[in-house]
Amino acid sequence: EVQVAESGGGLVQPGGSLRLSCAASGFIFSSYNMNWVRQAPGKGLEWVAYISSGSRTKYYAGSVKGRFTISRDNAKNSLSLQMNSLRDEDTAVYYCARDPVVGDHPYYFDYWGQGTLVSVSS
Amino acid sequence: QSVLTQPPSASGTPGQRVTISCSGSSSNIGSNTVDWYQQLPGTAPKLLIYSNNQRPSGVPDRFSGSKSGSSASLAISGLQSADEADYYCASWDDSLNGYVFGTGTKVTVL
Repeated sequence: EVQVAESGGGLVQPGGSLRLSCAASGFIFSSYNMNWVRQAPGKGLEWVAYISSGSRTKYYAGSVKGRFTISRDNAKNSLSLQMNSLRDEDTAVYYCARDPVVGDHPYYFDYWGQGTLVSVSS
Repeated sequence: QSVLTQPPSASGTPGQRVTISCSGSSSNIGSNTVDWYQQLPGTAPKLLIYSNNQRPSGVPDRFSGSKSGSSASLAISGLQSADEADYYCASWDDSLNGYVFGTGTKVTVL
């Protein structure tokens, strides 16, 4: 069974840092492109970042570029999101999502985790 | 703010057909495929339609997608109370170099 599970969320002060992780199982992780998507409380979905299967290609939303870094460890079936210089508006549930298409950018997301909540507040 | 525009709400009675529109531009829907996601209250989003009109395994054929030019639509036929959820369209945007979601539509079953 395909599963992705996020962890690492919590309360952090503005300007602080946090690292999210996503553990994958039930599929050949190294063959799939992966993404992070977030949802602020009561708001819509916002794509955050993409990483290709071999980490060669990365894309970021304009709102996080230069502050967030996506990475992966295929040997550990793990995806990460390093978040620096956090702002109030980064408060959201962060989802890890699998992309089933072998392509050069995000196509669509067929499996999602349950999300981890990041709260940025003083 | 999102570059894909959806109506904030849609509603219908059980058994009715409901359609949700998604308006974009030449840099997103006009040149790339469209996907739709369903988010039931308090849960993670679920892929509903991909590549304009393809249904993943397990998604009922009551759900259908279409695309014309820079716009797309999701149709729900035989509306059921279980369909009460938020629905989002999405597509890759060549100008933004990002995957963009629509503003979302809340479907209510009356």
